[in-house]
Amino acid sequence: AQSVTQPDIHITVSEGASLELRCNYSYGATPYLFWYVQSPGQGLQLLLKYFSGDTLVQGIKGFEAEFKRSQSSFNLRKPSVHWSDAAEYFCAVGGGNEKLTFGTGTRLTIIP
Amino acid sequence: NAGVTQTPKFRILKIGQSMTLQCTQDMNHNYMYWYRQDPGMGLKLIYYSVGAGITDKGEVPNGYNVSRSTTEDFPLRLELAAPSQTSVYFCASRGERGNTGELFFGEGSRLTVL
Repeated sequence: AQSVTQPDIHITVSEGASLELRCNYSYGATPYLFWYVQSPGQGLQLLLKYFSGDTLVQGIKGFEAEFKRSQSSFNLRKPSVHWSDAAEYFCAVGGGNEKLTFGTGTRLTIIP
Repeated sequence: NAGVTQTPKFRILKIGQSMTLQCTQDMNHNYMYWYRQDPGMGLKLIYYSVGAGITDKGEVPNGYNVSRSTTEDFPLRLELAAPSQTSVYFCASRGERGNTGELFFGEGSRLTVL
């Protein structure tokens, strides 16, 4: 069965500082990996996705993520966070079937 | 651009009541999903559909039913509401098959069962 672990429930960073959100997955074959962001009271929005090719993928809002097969990880990074990045971030994994499995999320707080 | 529209946004139900959460999308997507989101639990898949007339169970289908009579609409029915169904419900759709495409989410429906 596929699964996703986001070990950090809540992260606080200063505005302008770098950010890394961790994601580890379990999947029997090459996974399709996603990061979604949820602002308060809103649905989820896709930040970026990986399913083949270059293991470093670029997304919207200046985010990037790196797929590391040997570590079963797909960590999300941003060099310099903005106050508007405060939100909840979800990692998700899927395969050739039609189901996507989400992690439990990491809430990001930005301090001035 | 409407995208995925869910109604109602908020609802309070008494134990044992029934209701339907409506979901409609205007993107002509074949794939539609219902998730529930509980604090600290992420999103759990309730039901999904790969096209009109075809539905299948997700991880947590008990207490829910769905139908897909048209491409646009994918209502979620709660029969005999229970406090354990207090949650935020999200409908989502996708155009591409095989999980490579983006899921488009509605804004959610917050349901409280008392």
